[in-house]
Amino acid sequence: DARVTQTPRHKVTEMGQEVTMRCQPILGHNTVFWYRQTMMQGLELLAYFRNRAPLDDSGMPKDRFSAEMPDATLATLKIQPSEPRDSAVYFCASGLVPGSGYGYTFGSGTRLTVV
Amino acid sequence: QKEVEQNSGPLSVPEGAIASLNCTYSDRGSQSFFWYRQYSGKSPELIMSIYSNGDKEDGRFTAQLNKASQYVSLLIRDSQPSDSATYLCAVNKGPLRTGGFKTIFGAGTRLFVKA
Repeated sequence: DARVTQTPRHKVTEMGQEVTMRCQPILGHNTVFWYRQTMMQGLELLAYFRNRAPLDDSGMPKDRFSAEMPDATLATLKIQPSEPRDSAVYFCASGLVPGSGYGYTFGSGTRLTVV
Repeated sequence: QKEVEQNSGPLSVPEGAIASLNCTYSDRGSQSFFWYRQYSGKSPELIMSIYSNGDKEDGRFTAQLNKASQYVSLLIRDSQPSDSATYLCAVNKGPLRTGGFKTIFGAGTRLFVKA
């Protein structure tokens, strides 16, 4: 059963530290999303890649967040420096998309706590 | 106005009843619409997609789309306690200037099915 793999599952870090979250999309999927989920804001889109190229990162705080796809099997989301307000569950999702008509498969998420 | 709006609930229905979940969206140009189910502490999973006006049925689930009213709904027939979850409405927005579409989620409706 194909799945999106995210690591780590849980991360507790101190304010000011760098955090790196990793995602392995489903083999053959050409589209990768990063979402952040909190009780207050729900699912917020942070970044979006198609064929490893960034198509939209307008939802991402640029001063501290960065997202990359160094190759087709790895997407990363970095926060530097981390702040308590970054505490959330971060989801990666992948899909195979021509056009607009497909849903996506989500990973299990990384639960980040910044103290 | 949020781009995708849902009643947060909770919506409580007895076992065997029909659960009706509603969603409105603001971008009249949206073409693709999705329903995801999210169990507590888990990641969202795609359960239905719909692209054309009218109804689409899949087992106990029926998605309904009315583009003129910018309205999407999900009906769950013969509701089971295992259907208790948060249901997220998602809409593809685009095309972006960089190409492709991005998926915007509503805040979700919590559904409780009482045994």
